[in-house]
Amino acid sequence: DTAVSQTPKYLVTQMGNDKSIKCEQNLGHDTMYWYKQDSKKFLKIMFSYNNKELIINETVPNRFSPKSPDKAHLNLHINSLELGDSAVYFCASSQGTYIYEQYFGPGTRLTVT
Amino acid sequence: TQLLEQSPQFLSIQEGENLTVYCNSSSVFSSLQWYRQEPGEGPVLLVTVVTGGEVKKLKRLTFQFGDARKDSSLHITAAQPGDTGLYLCAGEDRDDKIIFGKGTRLHILP
Repeated sequence: DTAVSQTPKYLVTQMGNDKSIKCEQNLGHDTMYWYKQDSKKFLKIMFSYNNKELIINETVPNRFSPKSPDKAHLNLHINSLELGDSAVYFCASSQGTYIYEQYFGPGTRLTVT
Repeated sequence: TQLLEQSPQFLSIQEGENLTVYCNSSSVFSSLQWYRQEPGEGPVLLVTVVTGGEVKKLKRLTFQFGDARKDSSLHITAAQPGDTGLYLCAGEDRDDKIIFGKGTRLHILP
């Protein structure tokens, strides 16, 4: 069984469109994260939710809006996509709000043309 | 701005050799993790270190957290082609923020 799953795996879209990436974890973890990995492989945390509540909101454009309908899901919605949004986006989950063990999803490669 | 600097950025060595990669910062971290990431996959957690001076072993991999909790090293003994990948360190600072290094790309030649 996949622990942390993301859909879609690949997403190619045009500038200006609105898109969503979904993430689900079946580990019973309390905390979920979204990371952006740029072309230089640098992983930067974007958001963190603990039990459906936003606890980390790094400096990202407000075109990015996370939504957590329940503890097992954390979706990322992006409005008015720009070329610079092209990256791989990783979802992760962990137990608690500290780094114990973060389990990462397979990533979603977003390409904006 | 807190940074985790990893060195070397790239390393290519022959199978059977030993190697050490480093993760350094001027900041103190309450914990530090090492991940390995293979192409097209998400990072996989290898180890978490929390105590200054702590040493953890995972088969042929030895991880050390610096006494001052500002740096860490990963030593691989008798490298195998299966060790090829991107090795990332990530630190949690006192404000519970997670910071990742840019990684060391390791390539083991058969």
